[in-house]
Amino acid sequence: AQTVTQSQPEMSVQEAETVTLSCTYDTSESDYYLFWYKQPPSRQMILVIRQEAYKQQNATENRFSVNFQKAAKSFSLKISDSQLGDAAMYFCACVPNFGNEKLTFGTGTRLTIIP
Amino acid sequence: DTGVSQDPRHKITKRGQNVTFRCDPISEHNRLYWYRQTLGQGPEFLTYFQNEAQLEKSRLLSDRFSAERPKGSFSTLEIQRTEQGDSAMYLCASSLPGTGTTDTQYFGPGTRLTVL
Repeated sequence: AQTVTQSQPEMSVQEAETVTLSCTYDTSESDYYLFWYKQPPSRQMILVIRQEAYKQQNATENRFSVNFQKAAKSFSLKISDSQLGDAAMYFCACVPNFGNEKLTFGTGTRLTIIP
Repeated sequence: DTGVSQDPRHKITKRGQNVTFRCDPISEHNRLYWYRQTLGQGPEFLTYFQNEAQLEKSRLLSDRFSAERPKGSFSTLEIQRTEQGDSAMYLCASSLPGTGTTDTQYFGPGTRLTVL
């Protein structure tokens, strides 16, 4: 079983600045994937970034990057050069590989971008 | 690639009525998932299919809930005798493991159910 914890219910950042969203997880699996999903208001959830647990290198996607600390079971998301379109709920999620494939989500962080 | 679609987008029903939702996955995705999301929470897993086989059901899925994927393409989720506690967003996702994007689930827009 997996648990995912997002301890920041809300965050805000000035436009063009950098913000980091925190996520910790717990799993008994040795092989798993971690994800950040974005859910804009009244819009569907979209994938931001994914990380394979067996890879030491942190994943990056344009302005989005993660800090994956496997031993600490920490998986934070850094958004650089924040834009108004980044405003959304951000969910961290974990899924075991070769298992039941169900995503376990955290409770989310609401990100507000201040113009 | 048209993405995952769900119908209807919104459903308002009276307590005790039956409702059915439909999900069309991304073409050729063989795995399909249902999740439920209540206000202020992350999605919670309900059930998933590989092709037409339902492989796992959460304890959240009471006897009043049933899901099908008869031909391994679209899926339906039916709730019988709805209760106010069933009010939530019902999300569908699909994936095609082993294509280089292993285990990435792509979500639909959801069906928001309100039970009066």
